Amino acid sequence: NAGVTQTPKFQVLKTGQSMTLQCAQDMNHEYMSWYRQDPGMGLRLIHYSVGAGITDQGEVPNGYNVSRSTTEDFPLRLLSAAPSQTSVYFCASSPTPRGPKNIQYFGAGTRLSVL
Amino acid sequence: AQSVTQLGSHVSVSEGALVLLRCNYSSSVPPYLFWYVQYPNQGLQLLLKYTTGATLVKGINGFEAEFKKSETSFHLTKPSAHMSDAAEYFCAVSDLGYGGSQGNLIFGKGTKLSVKP
Repeated sequence: NAGVTQTPKFQVLKTGQSMTLQCAQDMNHEYMSWYRQDPGMGLRLIHYSVGAGITDQGEVPNGYNVSRSTTEDFPLRLLSAAPSQTSVYFCASSPTPRGPKNIQYFGAGTRLSVL
Repeated sequence: AQSVTQLGSHVSVSEGALVLLRCNYSSSVPPYLFWYVQYPNQGLQLLLKYTTGATLVKGINGFEAEFKKSETSFHLTKPSAHMSDAAEYFCAVSDLGYGGSQGNLIFGKGTKLSVKP
């Protein structure tokens, strides 16, 4: 059981480049989310999805796009990378979007540097 | 709006000593509370959670936490620290998503635990 798989593990971009961070889960979870982790800031929610075809913005959505065409996949797109987007990105999935069963399973993360 | 405050960004203890990591929350509705642990270069994994019922919750690796509504706290403890406990710990709060809340998990800023031999 692979759980939540993120690719790539590391990426270096130049300012203005675009890229897609991939996330896939094999647990048939409805809820998927993207977080960024910065030193001293904890995890901040970028975008989330409560099911295929449904996405919504989190706390820090600017500069990022998402789509959810299947239950399994939830890619995160950086449209025009900026140095402020240098961070560690985590994808997570959960059986339910809220409440007591909102136990999130995390991928191993993507470390992104924007020069 | 919900929020989580973790007191102390770094905590250092000696091996065998008590571990106490503090978490206070703010929520206008009954909260669901979680502790996650992140080992170096890994994602987060669930340590324990409080939903309803017993206020003392036991988790993995000998950790436990007590929900105190009157103090709006959910502190994490372990009687005797091991070197393998060195990690970053995150407290998080969620709810059912009523009253304007989206119910998403809200994380604290984290506490890095160091264990000295």
